[in-house]
Amino acid sequence: ETGVTQTPRHLVMGMTNKKSLKCEQHLGHNAMYWYKQSAKKPLELMFVYNFKEQTENNSVPSRFSPECPNSSHLFLHLHTLQPEDSALYLCASSQGSERDTQYFGPGTRLTVL
Amino acid sequence: GEDVEQSLFLSVREGDSSVINCTYTDSSSTYLYWYKQEPGAGLQLLTYIFSNMDMKQDQRLTVLLNKKDKHLSLRIADTQTGDSAIYFCAESRSGAGSYQLTFGKGTKLSVIP
Repeated sequence: ETGVTQTPRHLVMGMTNKKSLKCEQHLGHNAMYWYKQSAKKPLELMFVYNFKEQTENNSVPSRFSPECPNSSHLFLHLHTLQPEDSALYLCASSQGSERDTQYFGPGTRLTVL
Repeated sequence: GEDVEQSLFLSVREGDSSVINCTYTDSSSTYLYWYKQEPGAGLQLLTYIFSNMDMKQDQRLTVLLNKKDKHLSLRIADTQTGDSAIYFCAESRSGAGSYQLTFGKGTKLSVIP
């Protein structure tokens, strides 16, 4: 059973909508991550938060806006998305040091119409 | 070329051994990982190996690391239909204040009954 939960599991939105993805970890970890998984492409790291501070932003378009109010919660705010943004968005958490593995949530399947 | 490379597909018969191969590029990676993703689910950590090890065995799983050739493999003994999934190889790298995982595209393992 995963200690990382994500809601919603599925989301369909139009290009003019604003929506948010939520991730919660129950593992006492300090670092949280957003990944994008598209078909036939490697998992792409989007954002990293360590102790609530953003430490990585891998050239992600501004239509994706992360928020980390505390070390247990992570949000991804979406606005004016494009159809090519349709993908599985995965959240993960870890203790934050290299030897600590990342634990993944089940993902949110996003479809942009 | 890509940072982490894997073949995309592998088919084996139930009861046979499966070997999934991976090559990576960053010789400074200290940890290498294997994750499993079942349909509709997030990534589940299977095993990892520290870079000063050549081999790690965990029940039906055997990980072999050839650091000179930057080659990692995962052997699954007595493959079962429940092993059908996508297997991702990943290497860890340090970023600015955090550690990142770089994933391959994944190898889809199909087990034929």
